[in-house]
Amino acid sequence: EPEVTQTPSHQVTQMGQEVILRCVPISNHLYFYWYRQILGQKVEFLVSFYNNEISEKSEIFDDQFSVERPDGSNFTLKIRSTKLEDSAMYFCASTSLGGPQETQYFGPGTRLLVL
Amino acid sequence: QKEVEQNSGPLSVPEGAIASLNCTYSDRGSQSFFWYRQYSGKSPELIMFIYSNGDKEDGRFTAQLNKASQYVSLLIRDSQPSDSATYLCAAPEGNTGNQFYFGTGTSLTVIP
Repeated sequence: EPEVTQTPSHQVTQMGQEVILRCVPISNHLYFYWYRQILGQKVEFLVSFYNNEISEKSEIFDDQFSVERPDGSNFTLKIRSTKLEDSAMYFCASTSLGGPQETQYFGPGTRLLVL
Repeated sequence: QKEVEQNSGPLSVPEGAIASLNCTYSDRGSQSFFWYRQYSGKSPELIMFIYSNGDKEDGRFTAQLNKASQYVSLLIRDSQPSDSATYLCAAPEGNTGNQFYFGTGTSLTVIP
């Protein structure tokens, strides 16, 4: 069964460093998402991406964040200058058609720890 | 602020019992609702979704939706220890559906 994959599974970085989290969505999916989950808290939407551009973003997704689809398979989240409060689990999700009735399938996540 | 609210629990039920999980949402534009299961340290895994008022059954799971009351529930029949997890209710944003609002999750423990 096709699945969303993410790398790395864990990332430890120093405050102020740049990190890139990578995702390979399900191959025929067109809509891509990033969510984060701070330990013990709810899953929070960061950004959605369709047709090579951001379709929606939350207040969390400020100027230090960016997303890119550099090729036909990868979808990346870059955090330019990490802060301690960026420590969280980051999930990528994808769906085939987008919209309010489409299931979002989640990758296994990248656990980011900022020291 | 659009919200999805869940009772965080913890909820404990004996093996074989029915577990009942509840969720309310504030965005009247949300058209469908999703239940995900999340084991500790893992990603959300879809259990089922519902978009019509009433009940929807899938194996041991039944989702119930009442749009007038803005209420969604999940019943797990014949609960098993492997059902022990956090259950997340999610509702898409009402206009585009591009972002999901998640509840904080209900922690369920099934006691053997």
